[in-house]
Amino acid sequence: AQSVTQPDIHITVSEGASLELRCNYSYGATPYLFWYVQSPGQGLQLLLKYFSGDTLVQGIKGFEAEFKRSQSSFNLRKPSVHWSDAAEYFCAVGAMEYGNKLVFGAGTILRVKS
Amino acid sequence: ETGVTQSPTHLIKTRGQQVTLRCSSQSGHNTVSWYQQALGQGPQFIFQYYREEENGRGNFPPRFSGLQFPNYSSELNVNALELDDSALYLCASSLVAGPNNEQFFGPGTRLTVL
Repeated sequence: AQSVTQPDIHITVSEGASLELRCNYSYGATPYLFWYVQSPGQGLQLLLKYFSGDTLVQGIKGFEAEFKRSQSSFNLRKPSVHWSDAAEYFCAVGAMEYGNKLVFGAGTILRVKS
Repeated sequence: ETGVTQSPTHLIKTRGQQVTLRCSSQSGHNTVSWYQQALGQGPQFIFQYYREEENGRGNFPPRFSGLQFPNYSSELNVNALELDDSALYLCASSLVAGPNNEQFFGPGTRLTVL
């Protein structure tokens, strides 16, 4: 079965510092990979997605993620964090073999200190 | 273009009662998925509806049921509420079914079961 692990429950970074949020998945073939962001009281907003091709994908709000097949990882990065990036981030995996669902990780809460 | 909307925003019920949550999909989208997000966890897939038919179901008991209407809006019904049903319920719509299609999430309905 698919599973998604986000090993960091909370991360605190200083404004202007770089950010990397980790995501590991368990699945045999190449899945469809997503990063979503959720602000308090809000639904989920898609930051970026990877289906195939170039393993470095660019998303909205200056985020990027890199797919590493050998490590079963899809880490999210941002070179310079802004205070407005404080939110909860979810990695999600989908695969045709498992139907139409997305499987989400438990999330990482990002705090930004000024 | 109107995004995904959900009603009500908040709901308080007592154990054993029944509840209906509603979702209006984004214009042009024929697929609606429902997710349950318990506190401190990632969303978990409940089921998906595609053109008024159930199109995949997660590991939820039959007391969780749904409907999709000809205008592609959807309802989630939960019977015999239990305390553990307290969660944020998210609805997501997509242009077509399939895990490789971007899902657009609504703001959610916060259900509290006392």
